[in-house]
Amino acid sequence: DIQMAQSPSTLSASVGDRVTITCRASQTVFNWLAWYQQKAGEAPRLLIYKVSTLETGVPSRFSGSGSGTEFTLTISSLQPDDFATYYCQHYYGAPRAFGQGTKVELK
Amino acid sequence: EVQLVESGGGLVQPGESLRLSCVASGSTLDNYYMSWVRQTPGKGLEWVAKITHDGSEEVYMDSAKGRFTISRDNAKNSVYLQINGLRVEDTAMYYCARDWLVDGAGRALDVWGQGTLVTVSS
Repeated sequence: DIQMAQSPSTLSASVGDRVTITCRASQTVFNWLAWYQQKAGEAPRLLIYKVSTLETGVPSRFSGSGSGTEFTLTISSLQPDDFATYYCQHYYGAPRAFGQGTKVELK
Repeated sequence: EVQLVESGGGLVQPGESLRLSCVASGSTLDNYYMSWVRQTPGKGLEWVAKITHDGSEEVYMDSAKGRFTISRDNAKNSVYLQINGLRVEDTAMYYCARDWLVDGAGRALDVWGQGTLVTVSS
């Protein structure tokens, strides 16, 4: 089974900062990689699929990149609404594993 | 706009069984795979199982094999998760999510329900 590892687990940042989260797969997932945002008490929300395609309605400050086994989620200018936990997930076949999450908190 | 609503969670004792349901409104699910995802309180997301659009294939995470069964009824626009022999460590919020669209754009879990809480305790 493919395992996903995210880093860092917690990230302290200020409004306006550029933020980068890394996700590594234990073997290639090709381009079947998604990112989700989850706020406390809410269900996750799909942000990006197929590595870099923004879901409808997602602000353009979010971007994704990478290929194979290494991927990144970048928030170009952190906004107050972006403080949340972010998860990567592969969907190259099944089981479809998630990373352990990265909590973006206010510095 | 499609919405997913889960039900069937609750407080149960170890060893008991539950059947979780997920019903869709606003759109049909019959061209979509469906997944269940769970989240232990204060912890991360854990993918549990998926079922193909026609119910022909089911895949489970390792710790779910043998105790969990995912199924669907496209006529009722519904997906189910049967959990037998519940354990304390199965305590979690269980979400259903719309998965792969057959002949679609390759999106991931694009629609989620609000979750149903399963608590296993004696």
